[in-house]
Amino acid sequence: SQQGEEDPQALSIQEGENATMNCSYKTSINNLQWYRQNSGRGLVHLILIRSNEREKHSGRLRVTLDTSKKSSSLLITASRAADTASYFCATDGREGGSEKLVFGKGMKLTVNP
Amino acid sequence: DTGVSQDPRHKITKRGQNVTFRCDPISEHNRLYWYRQTLGQGPEFLTYFQNEAQLEKSRLLSDRFSAERPKGSFSTLEIQRTEQGDSAMYLCASSLGVGATGANVLTFGAGSRLTVL
Repeated sequence: SQQGEEDPQALSIQEGENATMNCSYKTSINNLQWYRQNSGRGLVHLILIRSNEREKHSGRLRVTLDTSKKSSSLLITASRAADTASYFCATDGREGGSEKLVFGKGMKLTVNP
Repeated sequence: DTGVSQDPRHKITKRGQNVTFRCDPISEHNRLYWYRQTLGQGPEFLTYFQNEAQLEKSRLLSDRFSAERPKGSFSTLEIQRTEQGDSAMYLCASSLGVGATGANVLTFGAGSRLTVL
């Protein structure tokens, strides 16, 4: 089963608006990552936040992490039509030394021009 | 370096046939991952390698699925006696592993889409 769950599952906004998506997970983690996937393509890494960090910025991206609530949020500011994609959170399933990433179901973002 | 390459990009097969997908990772990456993704879902972990060693395989993975990475470079994923439920996108990713950074960032290929009729 997948550990991360993104919320909402779909979001439609106008260009220039901000988009916020949330991710909840179940077990303790070392890191949480966000990936983007354009339709029919592979995933692209966006940003990583470590368990001892609370907030991180990269360009128009801002990610927060609350380990007490086992949740993260990704904010995309001043959205563009090119941001239209699916977004996934991923956590490192460190049980037994595993180095696999466990992905959520994803959130589909549509940015209307 | 051209990134992670997967071949073929699309495969249509009849139920019961065998199919094989190939993945060429980034050359300096020693970890290689296979994921399966169905429509509207996130990638589901199948298996991963460190060099040529297969370190983990999903318990959900049928015995009809087998993966190899014989020389620690490219990898193949074979599905025997395909079923309609195997229709999905098969994604390959590679990485340097956790290593010195303490974080495992994956680089994905474009995927191989399988349709079983």
